[in-house]
Amino acid sequence: QQQVKQSPQSLIVQKGGISIINCAYENTAFDYFPWYQQFPGKGPALLIAIRPDVSEKKEGRFTISFNKSAKQFSLHIMDSQPGDSATYFCAATFQGAQKLVFGQGTRLTINP
Amino acid sequence: SQTIHQWPATLVQPVGSPLSLECTVEGTSNPNLYWYRQAAGRGLQLLFYSVGIGQISSEVPQNLSASRPQDRQFILSSKKLLLSDSGFYLCAWCGFTLAYGYTFGSGTRLTVV
Repeated sequence: QQQVKQSPQSLIVQKGGISIINCAYENTAFDYFPWYQQFPGKGPALLIAIRPDVSEKKEGRFTISFNKSAKQFSLHIMDSQPGDSATYFCAATFQGAQKLVFGQGTRLTINP
Repeated sequence: SQTIHQWPATLVQPVGSPLSLECTVEGTSNPNLYWYRQAAGRGLQLLFYSVGIGQISSEVPQNLSASRPQDRQFILSSKKLLLSDSGFYLCAWCGFTLAYGYTFGSGTRLTVV
């Protein structure tokens, strides 16, 4: 029940296309859903996050869509660029928790 | 502003040798601290976390141990390294709540030979 399932494991998108990464969870107590971006040899960095009181959050080319009833959330990268090539992790937690629960990660490659 | 320091950046150690990786956080007090390991091309495995000095929670039984001798210092250790201990080790911190997620350090690439 503490798991967050992330798909796909790897994704190849052409430059200018839309990249979509999906995550699903079971624990309805989760109330904070961040996405992390990790470049090779670097630590993950917080990219964007959403709370369940909204269905969508947009920051530049990055959008989180949140479906509370389906217990799913997804990251959309519009106009994908080669510089977006990285590993992306979704995560979830709830108020009072002491740690994040991470998805398995998605390796995204944007072909020029 | 808060910063997290992790060192060394890379480390090559022989099997059976000891290990000590250090992580420190500046600009905050009483952070929650975390050690993660990432195998090549794999996900994030939580090893240990600490919510206060001397308080260590172990997530995965293994050849490693952690200590928090000071409020903003977190140390990952091993008495005898195994080949399977190779990986990318990441330290992270967060505030009193997880309201803003973690901030990760830059990582240590450990190769056990």
